[in-house]
Amino acid sequence: DVKVTQSSRYLVKRTGEKVFLECVQDMDHENMFWYRQDPGLGLRLIYFSYDVKMKEKGDIPEGYSVSREKKERFSLILESASTNQTSMYLCASSLYSATGELFFGEGSRLTVL
Amino acid sequence: AQSVTQPDIHITVSEGASLELRCNYSYGATPYLFWYVQSPGQGLQLLLKYFSGDTLVQGIKGFEAEFKRSQSSFNLRKPSVHWSDAAEYFCAVGDNFNKFYFGSGTKLNVKP
Repeated sequence: DVKVTQSSRYLVKRTGEKVFLECVQDMDHENMFWYRQDPGLGLRLIYFSYDVKMKEKGDIPEGYSVSREKKERFSLILESASTNQTSMYLCASSLYSATGELFFGEGSRLTVL
Repeated sequence: AQSVTQPDIHITVSEGASLELRCNYSYGATPYLFWYVQSPGQGLQLLLKYFSGDTLVQGIKGFEAEFKRSQSSFNLRKPSVHWSDAAEYFCAVGDNFNKFYFGSGTKLNVKP
């Protein structure tokens, strides 16, 4: 069964802390994505990667960075967490194909105090 | 620019009743269209997708959707809703560059 695993389901951090959200997929997918989900706003793309060490900014990259050192792993980094980054973060992966659907992890709910 | 609109934020239907969730998209080329469902506290699961061919597509859990190019719509339907269908539903459009654009979602409540 295909799987996208996010390392932490729930995190509580303090303002100014550095936060790492990890995502691993076991489907050998080329593409990986980080989305942020907020009520009434749907899913907004933060960053995506179509290959190892490659990354592209999405619609809301400010305050975030990413790392993809291995094909199966895509990390989202909040260099200095702020309260407005309290949200649900969803990782997804897909094949490098125009018709490749997204496979999602279960999400990481981050609260920044 | 690509965009997806789901005009209904909340919908409540009685169990056993039919369901239609609306989705309109804006995309310049042939769209790749998807419907996803999210149960509380979970990630998103694909219900169905449309790439080409027959404009009526069947998905999992008894859902179907119809692509209407003239109306730029891809509405999701189910003839008889079950209590377990209560969830949030997202419509999405994918482009040729492997990017996906999501609507803001429709929350479905099912009355017993």
